[in-house]
This record gives sequence, structure tokens and C-alpha cells, in this order.
Amino acid sequence: GDSVTQMEGPVTLSEEAFLTINCTYTATGYPSLFWYVQYPGEGLQLLLKATKADDKGSNKGFEATYRKETTSFHLEKGSVQVSDSAVYFCALRAADEGANNLFFGTGTRLTVIP
Amino acid sequence: SAVISQKPSRDICQRGTSLTIQCQVDSQVTMMFWYRQQPGQSLTLIATANQGSEATYESGFVIDKFPISRPNLTFSTLTVSNMSPEDSSIYLCSVEVGNTIYFGEGSWLTVV
Repeated sequence: GDSVTQMEGPVTLSEEAFLTINCTYTATGYPSLFWYVQYPGEGLQLLLKATKADDKGSNKGFEATYRKETTSFHLEKGSVQVSDSAVYFCALRAADEGANNLFFGTGTRLTVIP
Repeated sequence: SAVISQKPSRDICQRGTSLTIQCQVDSQVTMMFWYRQQPGQSLTLIATANQGSEATYESGFVIDKFPISRPNLTFSTLTVSNMSPEDSSIYLCSVEVGNTIYFGEGSWLTVV
């Protein structure tokens, strides 16, 4: 079945460091891929998405590229800030018509220290 | 996009009681989804709710424990019945708009 494997945390970085959070998936066809972020004490927010191979999603300085050949959707940011401290979830929605729910990775907690 | 409001945002509940969570969306949507996020864990889909039909539950979730209503295209409720401490979780409502799934801020329930 469809699944998402996400780099386990926690991850602790200094401000302005480079961030990579790995995400790989298992699915048939071309699923849609998402990164969601959950800030402390808040709900889940969509960070970025990509719906077809080689698409790059980007938002707030974060980027992720849909790589079909490696079934990956790694999240990157060139220079993290303290305000980026949150839990990041990689998610997949199946390519099947009518597939609407998401499969989530386990989440990666990022802490950025000044 | 979609703006999703959930009530209550937080609650502390007594063991054995039931609590109903409300989800209101600012636009009409066909499907609404209910997820659970247990402490320190990822999200798990509880059920999918279509307007005018019974909800479809995922493996491990049953209607007697998590009854769902979907009276119209902008509103849904999830009841957590006969609560135990294991039900302490964040319960999130979500909808699909324009090929993207959006989430409410969640209802943080603690069962004591």
C-alpha cells in the first residue's frame, strides 16, 4: 500500500544553518506530495506541495522537488530561523481518482537555536 | 483555500463521558475528513464524511466509538464516545479544496 517514510528527528540546528529533511514514498503511479508544518500549540498548515514529477514546491524559503526516479520529496531550506522551529510532516495522496485522504510520515521535530 | 473552524479548541474531559467536536468550513465541500493525532505521533485518518451518506471508517475505528454527522456541505461533527485516557489526542477536521487538503487547527482533548 501507499506509505511515506520520513527522516526521524529530532533535528537541532543553529540559526542560518542549512536544513534537509528526507522523505521517500511508496505508491503506484504519480501521487501528489505535500509538506505540512505544525508550530508549537497549533494545528497543521500546508507548507508546500507538488503534484507531478519534477515539480518544485516552495514557500517561506522552503523547497521540495518531486523526484520520481528516487521516489523522494526532500524538504530543504538554505538558512533556517528560530521561527522555523516546528514539526514537519511529509504526506502523500494517492494517484487514484477519488483518493482524497492523506498518508502521513511520522513527523520530524526541528529546533533552531539562536 | 479554505478556512476551517473547530470547536472546542481544547478540553479536559472526564473518563466515560462523550464529547462532540464541531467543524465549520467557509465554503461548500463534498468530503470532510477526521484525523487523530495521538501525543508525539503522526496523523491517522479516522473517517471520511460525505454529505447525505454515512461516514466511511478506516480500519481500527468504528461508528459506535466515533459517530459522525454531516448535515450539510459546510459542517460536520465528530463525537468521541465513552472516553478513556487513550483517547487523549488532537482531533483534526480537514477538507479538500482545489486539489489541496486543508486542516483545521485541531481540537486538543485530554481525558482524565
